[in-house]
Amino acid sequence: SQQGEEDPQALSIQEGENATMNCSYKTSINNLQWYRQNSGRGLVHLILIRSNEREKHSGRLRVTLDTSKKSSSLLITASRAADTASYFCATADTGRRALTFGSGTRLQVQP
Amino acid sequence: EPEVTQTPSHQVTQMGQEVILRCVPISNHLYFYWYRQILGQKVEFLVSFYNNEISEKSEIFDDQFSVERPDGSNFTLKIRSTKLEDSAMYFCASSAGFGGEQPQHFGDGTRLSIL
Repeated sequence: SQQGEEDPQALSIQEGENATMNCSYKTSINNLQWYRQNSGRGLVHLILIRSNEREKHSGRLRVTLDTSKKSSSLLITASRAADTASYFCATADTGRRALTFGSGTRLQVQP
Repeated sequence: EPEVTQTPSHQVTQMGQEVILRCVPISNHLYFYWYRQILGQKVEFLVSFYNNEISEKSEIFDDQFSVERPDGSNFTLKIRSTKLEDSAMYFCASSAGFGGEQPQHFGDGTRLSIL
């Protein structure tokens, strides 16, 4: 798989359910970030987890990072219709300024 | 909350023409970026800019592309002679600190359509 691959590619759930998205990467990273993109809009930063962290919370978001498996997961609890968007992981490789984005997960939350 | 603004929101240009995409980063940010997203594909890094010079660029950012910070607020991307394959959403971003260690804040993008 390519750097920053998310799965699933698409996810449809009911409001109130939890949504879990996974991301895999290949390189050595400083940190991993999750972004949300509403249709036709820019990317909005959600959460950043550093390479020496294993878990991080922000509101209804929970992110885990396993550097030995080069993978991360984003959990959105108690989802709302407003959470409908595409979610991307992005890695900041060691020594680089650029972010490398994955292909994203399209989340649809049905009211 | 401060935000990154981009103009225009949509630009239609004939192939071979020059185009300039404009961005106003968040005012106290020091690092600036351009990314692009071809319809249905990943967001791809183009270039990063710090201290009035390019600090990193990707293979996509060839001689047809240039960036400039002409004054204290604007950050522009110029494509000298556009090609059909340049059609994409172009996103500007900025960050307060080193881009690999800080969140990047994105504008809503310019949709560039090359005819």
